[in-house]
Amino acid sequence: GEDVEQSLFLSVREGDSSVINCTYTDSSSTYLYWYKQEPGAGLQLLTYIFSNMDMKQDQRLTVLLNKKDKHLSLRIADTQTGDSAIYFCAESPNYGQNFVFGPGTRLSVLP
Amino acid sequence: DTGVSQNPRHKITKRGQNVTFRCDPISEHNRLYWYRQTLGQGPEFLTYFQNEAQLEKSRLLSDRFSAERPKGSFSTLEIQRTEQGDSAMYLCASSFAGLNNEQFFGPGTRLTVL
Repeated sequence: GEDVEQSLFLSVREGDSSVINCTYTDSSSTYLYWYKQEPGAGLQLLTYIFSNMDMKQDQRLTVLLNKKDKHLSLRIADTQTGDSAIYFCAESPNYGQNFVFGPGTRLSVLP
Repeated sequence: DTGVSQNPRHKITKRGQNVTFRCDPISEHNRLYWYRQTLGQGPEFLTYFQNEAQLEKSRLLSDRFSAERPKGSFSTLEIQRTEQGDSAMYLCASSFAGLNNEQFFGPGTRLTVL
């Protein structure tokens, strides 16, 4: 079946890099996504990566994809207090017909 | 267009009552999704529409749940005979079927069943 796993908590100091990891199970997933959820707010798409790519960089965000190991990571450079939120990894096993989300990683940024 | 909107934002009801939620997607989006999110979990897929056709329903969607998208624009999700286990955040998302099918989420409707 489909299952996406993430570690539940991560704490970093302001200015350090954060790395949030995710493993997924469906090798047919065409796209993999990272969403951010702040308290009381909806999910906001941060970035996505196409399955034939190894890396994607977008300003402070770097996504790495290891398709062989079905491992996805999100690196946030120069982490700020405003980055404190829950980060969800999601796969799209049916080419976008629905998303399967991980449980989310709560990122805490310490001053 | 200000994005996906959902109403109401909060709903408190007594067990056994029926509730209905509404979602207004981004206007040019032809796909609309419903998810449920409980505390400490990621969103779980419930159902999705392409235009007015309901194309997929999750096993999570019991027969007490029904969703409609009559004109291919807004959608409603109705829960009949609510149970305490239905308490959750109900999220709506929309997308335009295409290259990456990026889904844009609304703020959600938080349901509390007493």
